Amino acid sequence: DVKVTQSSRYLVKRTGEKVFLECVQDMDHENMFWYRQDPGLGLRLIYFSYDVKMKEKGDIPEGYSVSREKKERFSLILESASTNQTSMYLCASSSPGQGIHEQYFGPGTRLTVT
Amino acid sequence: AQKITQTQPGMFVQEKEAVTLDCTYDTSDPSYGLFWYKQPSSGEMIFLIYQGSYDQQNATEGRYSLNFQKARKSANLVISASQLGDSAMYFCAMRPANFGNEKLTFGTGTRLTIIP
Repeated sequence: DVKVTQSSRYLVKRTGEKVFLECVQDMDHENMFWYRQDPGLGLRLIYFSYDVKMKEKGDIPEGYSVSREKKERFSLILESASTNQTSMYLCASSSPGQGIHEQYFGPGTRLTVT
Repeated sequence: AQKITQTQPGMFVQEKEAVTLDCTYDTSDPSYGLFWYKQPSSGEMIFLIYQGSYDQQNATEGRYSLNFQKARKSANLVISASQLGDSAMYFCAMRPANFGNEKLTFGTGTRLTIIP
C-alpha cells in the first residue's frame, strides 16, 4: 500500500521560531510537493522537487524553504514562523511522466503559530 | 497560466440522489489532464478520477464519472447514488500533459454534505 507520512498531525509554534515539517514517501517517487491549504483558497503550491537536491518555487514560496537530501524525504522549513503561516500543510509525491501519474498525499499537518 | 474555478462552496444532497459538482478551467496548454480529489474530515486527499484532454470518452470509476465538455472548458464530477460516506471536500485540479511539468493547479473546493 502506497504511503506518504508527515511527521506531525498538529503542531503549535511561537512567532519567530524555526519550524521543520517532514514528509516521507515509500513509493520511490521522483517528485515531491508541499502545499498549504486555507479555507476558500484551496491548495496552493509552496515548493516542489523533482529529484534529490533539486527544488523549484511554487506559487507562494515567500517565508519558506525546502530540503531534499534523500529521495524519500522532503522537508519544509519555516525560517521564522509568523502568524500568517498558520495553516494546513500537505505533502504529496508522484512519479514523473505523461498520463495519470496522480499525486499521493499525506494526512496533513495543521500548524498554529501563536 | 492555468486556472480552476469551482463555484459551489457547499452543497447539501439527500442520500441516494445523484450529485454534480461543477468545475470549469482555463488554460493555454494544448493538452492537459484533469483530476478530482476527495478530502474527508481526516484531511488526507484521495484521488478519484482522471480525464485527459484528448480522451474520446468521459472517464468513469465506479460511482464517479466525469462529464467532460472540452468546448465549454468544464469537467464536472458526477457521483451516482450518493452515500453518507461521500460527505467531504471535493477538489478539481489540472496539470499540463507535457513531460516534466508535474504541477497541479487546484480549485477552491466544494464541501458536499449528504443528508440521511
